[in-house]
Amino acid sequence: GDSVTQTEGQVTVSESKSLIINCTYSATSIAYPNLFWYVRYPGEGLQLLLKVITAGQKGSSRGFEATYNKETTSFHLQKASVQESDSAVYYCALSPLNYGGSGNKLIFGTGTLLSVKP
Amino acid sequence: NSKVIQTPRYLVKGQGQKAKMRCIPEKGHPVVFWYQQNKNNEFKFLINFQNQEVLQQIDMTEKRFSAECPSNSPCSLEIQSSEAGDSALYLCASSLGRGQDTQYFGPGTRLLVL
Repeated sequence: GDSVTQTEGQVTVSESKSLIINCTYSATSIAYPNLFWYVRYPGEGLQLLLKVITAGQKGSSRGFEATYNKETTSFHLQKASVQESDSAVYYCALSPLNYGGSGNKLIFGTGTLLSVKP
Repeated sequence: NSKVIQTPRYLVKGQGQKAKMRCIPEKGHPVVFWYQQNKNNEFKFLINFQNQEVLQQIDMTEKRFSAECPSNSPCSLEIQSSEAGDSALYLCASSLGRGQDTQYFGPGTRLLVL
């Protein structure tokens, strides 16, 4: 079946340093799933950070970027300079969207807790 | 920010008791999803609806869980006879459907089964 893997359960980075959170996916139900990063800030609900629906494209939001790489089946999240306010849990997800359909479930990784040290 | 509303935020039940939680999707979103997130941060899709109709559901949901999204009322997810393994965060999400698959999540209902 379809799956998402985030290898790091926790990452600690000093403020103003660069960040990369790894995400790889396996999609057996569809060749090119839609890919997402969701974020949960402390005390808040899960919210969409960015999404990319076309292989080869890059999505960006709040200084974060992720590129849909179909060759390596990866969707790593990067930021050039993190801030303390970026401390949160980041979830990579895929949706095996059937074009024109609705109601496709999301398949999530287990999340990466980012702690930014001042 | 998402406007999906979930109640209650916390729910404590004994084994064998019913546990019911509710969700009001974002206005204008016809598609509603329920997910379970366990203590290992693993997400499990449970069921989804378009308007009042079930689109997909997993076996577990068919057997011990019941869910509905009646017209003009909150959606609900009910566990008929709670088990310790049901302790988890239950997340409701909604989307526009029609190929727009971004899902917007509520804050969740945290269920503890003693």
